[in-house]
Parts: sequence; C-alpha cells; structure tokens
Amino acid sequence: GQQVMQIPQYQHVQEGEDFTTYCNSSTTLSNIQWYKQRPGGHPVFLIQLVKSGEVKKQKRLTFQFGEAKKNSSLHITATQTTDVGTYFCAGNNDYKLSFGAGTTVTVRA
Amino acid sequence: NAGVMQNPRHLVRRRGQEARLRCSPMKGHSHVYWYRQLPEEGLKFMVYLQKENIIDESGMPKERFSAEFPKEGPSILRIQQVVRGDSAAYFCASRVDPKQPQHFGDGTRLSIL
Repeated sequence: GQQVMQIPQYQHVQEGEDFTTYCNSSTTLSNIQWYKQRPGGHPVFLIQLVKSGEVKKQKRLTFQFGEAKKNSSLHITATQTTDVGTYFCAGNNDYKLSFGAGTTVTVRA
Repeated sequence: NAGVMQNPRHLVRRRGQEARLRCSPMKGHSHVYWYRQLPEEGLKFMVYLQKENIIDESGMPKERFSAEFPKEGPSILRIQQVVRGDSAAYFCASRVDPKQPQHFGDGTRLSIL
C-alpha cells in the first residue's frame, strides 16, 4: 500500500531562522495536502497541491509539489513562536489520505 | 456553518466496557473518516464511510471495532470490551467529495483505566 514518509521527525528552531520539512510518497499522488496540529489540538488544513511542480505560498510558508508528484516540501522562513506544532503531509489517492508521521516543531525564543 | 462536531471530548472507560464515539460531519459533507492517533505519532486511517455505507475499513481492527454512518444522525465509532491499548485520540474528519481537503473535529481522547 501507499506509504508516506516525512522528515525530520523533530525540528528545533531558533526564532527567526528558516527550516524545511520533507515528504516522500512510495507512489505517485493525485494531490498532496498539508495540515498543522497544535499541541492538544486537531489537524487543521493548510493547503492542497495538485499540479506537478506546483509552488504555493502562504505568508512565510512555501509549499512545493515535486515534478513526479511523489514528494513535497514545506519551507518556513523567519520562524515565529506561533509556528509551534506538528506539520503533517497527507498523500491523496482516490478517496484515501495517507498521513506522514509529522514534523514536530519547537521554537527557541 | 458549524465544523465537524465530535463528542465526547474526553471519555474514560474501564477495561471490558464499551466506548461509543460520535461524529457529526460538516453540513453537506457525506464522506466521513475516522483516524486514531497515539501520542507523538501521526494519524492512522481506520475507516471511511459514505452515508450508510462502509467504503473502506482496512485500517480498523477486525475484532471489537465497528463504525456506522446512518441515514439520520451522527457517525458512530464503537469499541467493545476496551483494553488499555485502545487509549488514544480518535479524530473524525469529513469532506464534501474525495478530492477536497478533510476537515477535522476536535477529537475524542479515550482513556482506559
């Protein structure tokens, strides 16, 4: 079955620095979605990427979908304390979302 | 438009009891998914339902677990004869069609004594 791997599992960032989390699928995806979960909260949808090579930006967050539609990345610039949480990618094929294990981000002020 | 509603938020059961978790999807959403999350882990797919039909239950244990989404009323995830290993957060999500993003409820944190 489809597997989605995400690295790194943990990311400790100094406030103001940039970081990137990566997502790789074992199969080609129809689209990929990113979610953020705050501690004790529920996953909140951030964005969906559909086209090969697509790049989308949300303020300080930049999302990319690979040319082969098997990998994706999330890059956050100038990290703030509000960025704390776990970021999940989820590969979508047919009706099913396969979630990566997530990257848990902590921020040092 | 209210979001996905799950209740209860927290549920405590003793070993051997039954746990019943409810999920009301967003208005207009007929696709419902249940996920299980252990501490510091990702979401594991359990079951996908579409009004009165179970489409995919490949992630749900064959024993003790069942799910339904009746024509009227919320979707129910039922765990019979709970064991300590069932302790987890259970999230429900809904979407209007399989190509759209899923919207998650606040989850039910199940604790087994």
